[in-house]
Amino acid sequence: DTAVSQTPKYLVTQMGNDKSIKCEQNLGHDTMYWYKQDSKKFLKIMFSYNNKELIINETVPNRFSPKSPDKAHLNLHINSLELGDSAVYFCASSQGGSGYTFGSGTRLTVV
Amino acid sequence: GESVGLHLPTLSVQEGDNSIINCAYSNSASDYFIWYKQESGKGPQFIIDIRSNMDKRQGQRVTVLLNKTVKHLSLQIAATQPGDSAVYFCAVSGGSYIPTFGRGTSLIVHP
Repeated sequence: DTAVSQTPKYLVTQMGNDKSIKCEQNLGHDTMYWYKQDSKKFLKIMFSYNNKELIINETVPNRFSPKSPDKAHLNLHINSLELGDSAVYFCASSQGGSGYTFGSGTRLTVV
Repeated sequence: GESVGLHLPTLSVQEGDNSIINCAYSNSASDYFIWYKQESGKGPQFIIDIRSNMDKRQGQRVTVLLNKTVKHLSLQIAATQPGDSAVYFCAVSGGSYIPTFGRGTSLIVHP
């Protein structure tokens, strides 16, 4: 069983569209995250979320929003996609501050 | 805030050699340190971690050294194999539990 799974693996879309990336973890972890990895492999935290608290990286545009239907899921919604949003997006989870586990990534290409 | 940097963007070694990847961090309050390996097309995978109450921790063929005085940690890989070729990241976290990633070091192992 995949511990942290995200779909789709690849997403190609036009500028201005709205899209979502889904993430599910079966580890029973209490915290989930979204990271953005740019073309130079730099991993940047976007959101951290548990049942109690959403922490947003202040540099993330408000076109990006996390949605968590339950503690095992954290989906990423992106409105009005821009060329600069092209990147690989990783979902991750942890229990408290340890056991970080990443999904395999979603490569988003905006054309 | 925390800033994390790796000393070399690329490290080339011969198969069988030992590899050392270095990382520096800025926040003296950081207390949890993690090394990840990212293979092409995959998400970061946990390799080894260390907490600030230790200065050395060993795994299978890997050792992490932590020097809190100079805010430096390193990952040593013994008898490097072609399968070790990947991008390696250090991640550092403190009270917020959200790790800050350094820019990766690409390890290239020549047969």
